[in-house]
Amino acid sequence: EAGVTQFPSHSVIEKGQTVTLRCDPISGHDNLYWYRRVMGKEIKFLLHFVKESKQDESGMPNNRFLAERTGGTYSTLKVQPAELEDSGVYFCASSQDAGQYNSPLHFGNGTRLTVT
Amino acid sequence: AQKITQTQPGMFVQEKEAVTLDCTYDTSDPSYGLFWYKQPSSGEMIFLIYQGSYDQQNATEGRYSLNFQKARKSANLVISASQLGDSAMYFCAMREGGSGGSNYKLTFGKGTLLTVNP
Repeated sequence: EAGVTQFPSHSVIEKGQTVTLRCDPISGHDNLYWYRRVMGKEIKFLLHFVKESKQDESGMPNNRFLAERTGGTYSTLKVQPAELEDSGVYFCASSQDAGQYNSPLHFGNGTRLTVT
Repeated sequence: AQKITQTQPGMFVQEKEAVTLDCTYDTSDPSYGLFWYKQPSSGEMIFLIYQGSYDQQNATEGRYSLNFQKARKSANLVISASQLGDSAMYFCAMREGGSGGSNYKLTFGKGTLLTVNP
């Protein structure tokens, strides 16, 4: 089975520009998560979708970040306008069952975002 | 307060030797799961091993084992017979059982960079 795929793998943009990251979860996984790792810090939760619904977006840093998951399949994370502090690696993960704390999340390779 | 603490920013080990990566956690939830992920330089996050709070036995997966000491709230990863390909960043993470659907978040530590020397 195909894993979680993310596109692009790298993105370099200037401050003030817009970037859209895409995540395709494992087929059949209703639960999709976005995480971010800023250089040297922990991987931080951003938000969680169950199918097309946002279950929890408490980790979204501010309203410059917009996540969507139309149709409950792939998801996009848009940053508009990008700021320098948005630089980092953005991970997407999916799982079949959010209701079990023993269920691992399956991660994509991440998108490395650099804002200059 | 930090929920997951990894005190070793970097570790070195000789090929074929064993190495222990430390992880301590903080939770008041009786139901939780502990996970270890490996992130090689290529960037992907690879799930390695899981330990549940009610598990009586330490988890093992091939060369990976988890030294789970519940009273001390530690879940150290042991890698036996290290290989050059084990060089990577290793993250400890926790998922709490909670109530009201709060058990979906993984909380990560800062990671330990393991370097295996030939």
